[in-house]
Amino acid sequence: GAGVSQTPSNKVTEKGKYVELRCDPISGHTALYWYRQSLGQGPEFLIYFQGTGAADDSGLPNDRFFAVRPEGSVSTLKIQRTERGDSAVYLCASSTGGQETQYFGPGTRLLVL
Amino acid sequence: AQSVSQHNHHVILSEAASLELGCNYSYGGTVNLFWYVQYPGQHLQLLLKYFSGDPLVKGIKGFEAEFIKSKFSFNLRKPSVQWSDTAEYFCAVGSLGTYKYIFGTGTRLKVLA
Repeated sequence: GAGVSQTPSNKVTEKGKYVELRCDPISGHTALYWYRQSLGQGPEFLIYFQGTGAADDSGLPNDRFFAVRPEGSVSTLKIQRTERGDSAVYLCASSTGGQETQYFGPGTRLLVL
Repeated sequence: AQSVSQHNHHVILSEAASLELGCNYSYGGTVNLFWYVQYPGQHLQLLLKYFSGDPLVKGIKGFEAEFIKSKFSFNLRKPSVQWSDTAEYFCAVGSLGTYKYIFGTGTRLKVLA
């Protein structure tokens, strides 16, 4: 079946702008995760959704970052007032439940100029 | 804080050589352990996982890993690598009761034909 999809695949924006990154999880997966991967690093956890609610947002770096999942399926990661340091690959993953194996999407490469 | 260490950042091998990639984690409780692989231009894919039971787990493409609890290690092995194994390999740890994975910084493997 279809895997996790993410759009756009690449996003270039200017410092100070607002961006939205979208994630479509595997059909039927109730758990959804966002990670951020900077150059030369492994993915770092940002936020976890179980259903519509954010069960753990401890990884969000500051209040410029926000994520929603209003219907328990598609999720959007929103970044306000982007900074050059936000440049990274943003990964989405989904699973059948909180402790189950996470399956990753291709990521969105964000470049803030 | 939990952490995952991958000691080898870059590994170069000739085809048919044996591979062992180290992974150590710091967490005293029950853990789930994963190896993910990222082939050039592709997204993270699950190679193998350990949740419980036999500490020697076998994954796809001839890979295996051994969980040694006393050493907090989960090393990845393959007896004979192929050129197509060229990729970046990530070790990840999920601790019981949390839903986020902690990733190592990755090991870039290059296999020479």
